[in-house]
Amino acid sequence: DAGVIQSPRHEVTEMGQEVTLRCKPISGHNSLFWYRQTMMRGLELLIYFNNNVPIDDSGMPEDRFSAKMPNASFSTLKIQPSEPRDSAVYFCASSLPGTGDRELFFGEGSRLTVL
Amino acid sequence: QKEVEQNSGPLSVPEGAIASLNCTYSDRGSQSFFWYRQYSGKSPELIMFIYSNGDKEDGRFTAQLNKASQYVSLLIRDSQPSDSATYLCAVLDNAGNMLTFGGGTRLMVKP
Repeated sequence: DAGVIQSPRHEVTEMGQEVTLRCKPISGHNSLFWYRQTMMRGLELLIYFNNNVPIDDSGMPEDRFSAKMPNASFSTLKIQPSEPRDSAVYFCASSLPGTGDRELFFGEGSRLTVL
Repeated sequence: QKEVEQNSGPLSVPEGAIASLNCTYSDRGSQSFFWYRQYSGKSPELIMFIYSNGDKEDGRFTAQLNKASQYVSLLIRDSQPSDSATYLCAVLDNAGNMLTFGGGTRLMVKP
């Protein structure tokens, strides 16, 4: 299995530009999570989906952030307009349905720099 | 706000020693607890999970859970330089959906 695939791996953009991050979860996994990691705040959950449906987006920082999962094999996280404080590594993770032993499989991350 | 707290470190131990990593959590209803390892520039990977009070051993790793004290720890025996990484404690909510991570403890194992 190829694992969770994220693109782009690195993105450098200017303030005000739109940024779209993409994720392909592991086949058969029905839960998908978007996390953001910074030195100051650590790993923060932004939003997660079960069976393509957004369940909890309380971690999305503000209206500039949006996420979609049009089908079981693809999700996007969009930032519009981007700001320098959005600079971080964005991880996508997927998992099988489960309870006590839910293991998240992380992609390699998308490192975003907003100038 | 559900919180997971870890000492950021760095924790420095000599090769061959036992490394002890600690984590406390605020949600008393939490049922499952995870330890992830993250090498610099890489993504987190699961080491082990625990959901019963007491110890759980897997090779050189032992997870310890005390729900009454809301405390979970990870012991690494015979530490190796390759164990140098950031260790993230994570707590699963009651519904079994959301995993909240602590800030991580950076471990340095010196040869």
